[in-house]
Amino acid sequence: DAKTTQPTSMDCAEGRAANLPCNHSTISGNEYVYWYRQIHSQGPQYIIHGLKNNETNEMASLIITEDRKSSTLILPHATLRDTAVYYCIVRAGNTGNQFYFGTGTSLTVIP
Amino acid sequence: DTGVSQNPRHKITKRGQNVTFRCDPISEHNRLYWYRQTLGQGPEFLTYFQNEAQLEKSRLLSDRFSAERPKGSFSTLEIQRTEQGDSAMYLCASSSPGTALNEQYFGPGTRLTVT
Repeated sequence: DAKTTQPTSMDCAEGRAANLPCNHSTISGNEYVYWYRQIHSQGPQYIIHGLKNNETNEMASLIITEDRKSSTLILPHATLRDTAVYYCIVRAGNTGNQFYFGTGTSLTVIP
Repeated sequence: DTGVSQNPRHKITKRGQNVTFRCDPISEHNRLYWYRQTLGQGPEFLTYFQNEAQLEKSRLLSDRFSAERPKGSFSTLEIQRTEQGDSAMYLCASSSPGTALNEQYFGPGTRLTVT
């Protein structure tokens, strides 16, 4: 099964860009990369997903390397409310309906 | 948009007792998932339903665990003879049949404490 690795924790100054890396070197050619975040005591929340090209939505940007072995989630102007655990996710299991979350990156936005 | 709801939000039980959790997915979503999350870890997949059919189960889902979705709407997760190691957050998620990319919407979870 494809797996992901992320740094355990990161800090970011409020108002600055937060860049969260993820390694997914075993991802298959047609698998998407998803990013979710989890604020303390809440369920995970969808942020963005991508396949090959860079993606942007109202929450974040996703940069995927050409070889697709890694990606970076960018929060362009981090706020205190962005403090959360960020998960880079790929599908797993026989039907592709399992999400492999890993341990995620705990992002702390500092005032 | 009522979102995914889970009940109860918290459950404290004694070792050896049975517990049952309920998940109500977003109404038009036919896919439903259960995850377990322990402290400091990401959610771990337990099982997946498409309508009423349970299509995938994790090795984590021991014989003491059973999940049902009898009418393809709400789902229940039962744990029999609870053990202290079952203490965790149990998360439910659902996704739409029109979303081939499988974007999952999560509920707030049920926190189980086994004493």
